[in-house]
Amino acid sequence: DVKVTQSSRYLVKRTGEKVFLECVQDMDHENMFWYRQDPGLGLRLIYFSYDVKMKEKGDIPEGYSVSREKKERFSLILESASTNQTSMYLCASSPPGQGFMEAFFGQGTRLTVV
Amino acid sequence: AQSVAQPEDQVNVAEGNPLTVKCTYSVSGNPYLFWYVQYPNRGLQFLLKYITGDNLVKGSYGFEAEFNKSQTSFHLKKPSALVSDSALYFCAFISNFGNEKLTFGTGTRLTIIP
Repeated sequence: DVKVTQSSRYLVKRTGEKVFLECVQDMDHENMFWYRQDPGLGLRLIYFSYDVKMKEKGDIPEGYSVSREKKERFSLILESASTNQTSMYLCASSPPGQGFMEAFFGQGTRLTVV
Repeated sequence: AQSVAQPEDQVNVAEGNPLTVKCTYSVSGNPYLFWYVQYPNRGLQFLLKYITGDNLVKGSYGFEAEFNKSQTSFHLKKPSALVSDSALYFCAFISNFGNEKLTFGTGTRLTIIP
């Protein structure tokens, strides 16, 4: 089975801290995604990566950066956490092309910034 | 901007009745459309997709969706609802072949009433 693992289920951080959210997939997928999920707003794409060291901004990249040094790992970085970044963060991966295979999601990280 | 819209935040259906969860799209070219489901305390799961071909697409757990180009819709349906179908449902699309950015709607909470 495909597995997408997010390093933490719950995190509490202080305003101004630098926060790292880690995501690892075990299926050699080229594409990886970071979303945040907020009630009434659905899933909003922050960044996605289609290959190692390749990244593209999603719809809400402000205040975030990403790193993909290895194919299996995609990290989301909050440079200086703010309370409006309190949210559920979801990581996903998918293989390229092939009729757009399904994306596989991690369990999510619920981040609270205080 | 290209998007999918889910006009209903909440849908309630009696157990055993047919259910419909609505999705309309505004995507240029040939749309690639998906439905995902999020059960309580679980990650998002792929249900079905439309890429090309038959307008009626069948997916997991007895769900199906109908692609309607004239109405720009991709509604999710099931002939007989189960209480276990209660979940959050998301419509999604990929806008450009070769740039597999997966974008979601705002979600519809489906509640099946026993």
